[in-house]
Amino acid sequence: EAGVVQSPRYKIIEKKQPVAFWCNPISGHNTLYWYRQNLGQGPELLIRYENEEAVDDSQLPKDRFSAERLKGVDSTLKIQPAELGDSAVYLCASSLEVVHEQYFGPGTRLTVT
Amino acid sequence: AQSVTQLDSHVSVSEGTPVLLRCNYSSSYSPSLFWYVQHPNKGLQLLLKYTSAATLVKGINGFEAEFKKSETSFHLTKPSAHMSDAAEYFCVVSNTGFQKLVFGTGTRLLVSP
Repeated sequence: EAGVVQSPRYKIIEKKQPVAFWCNPISGHNTLYWYRQNLGQGPELLIRYENEEAVDDSQLPKDRFSAERLKGVDSTLKIQPAELGDSAVYLCASSLEVVHEQYFGPGTRLTVT
Repeated sequence: AQSVTQLDSHVSVSEGTPVLLRCNYSSSYSPSLFWYVQHPNKGLQLLLKYTSAATLVKGINGFEAEFKKSETSFHLTKPSAHMSDAAEYFCVVSNTGFQKLVFGTGTRLLVSP
């Protein structure tokens, strides 16, 4: 069974530029999560989707971050414009339903210069 | 609010010796507790979980953890370390619905020959 797929794996951009991350969850998983992991820290939830609906986006900085999950399958997380403090690893996870185990992708390491 | 405190940022052991990674939790109600492992450039993997059943929980790769309510602890142990155990380990707390995982700051396990 294929795991959670994320791309790109690495991204280097200059500040004020836009960037987008893509996630394809495990087939059949209804719940999708985006986390941000700062250096030396544990991941923190940014947004959770149940199918197409964003049911918890309380930690998403909405002035510059946006996310979508069209058709309830793959998802895109966007930052526009990026700031130096956005440098982190962005993790995507999925689960069959919200009460089930979350499976994590390898992450996208973003460096903003 | 829920939180976890991982008491050691780094733990160094020799191959074949026991491993102890310490975690204390704070929760206003009965928590679910997890340990995740993160190898370099790989996704987070669930080692084990406690969900109010047996207090001694066995996981993959010979790891186990014991839930001690009186001490608010959920320490991770393994009788004999292997070189492949070298990784970052995260203690995680959640409510019973698994809706939001709250990660600790991580413990880096170093295993020397």
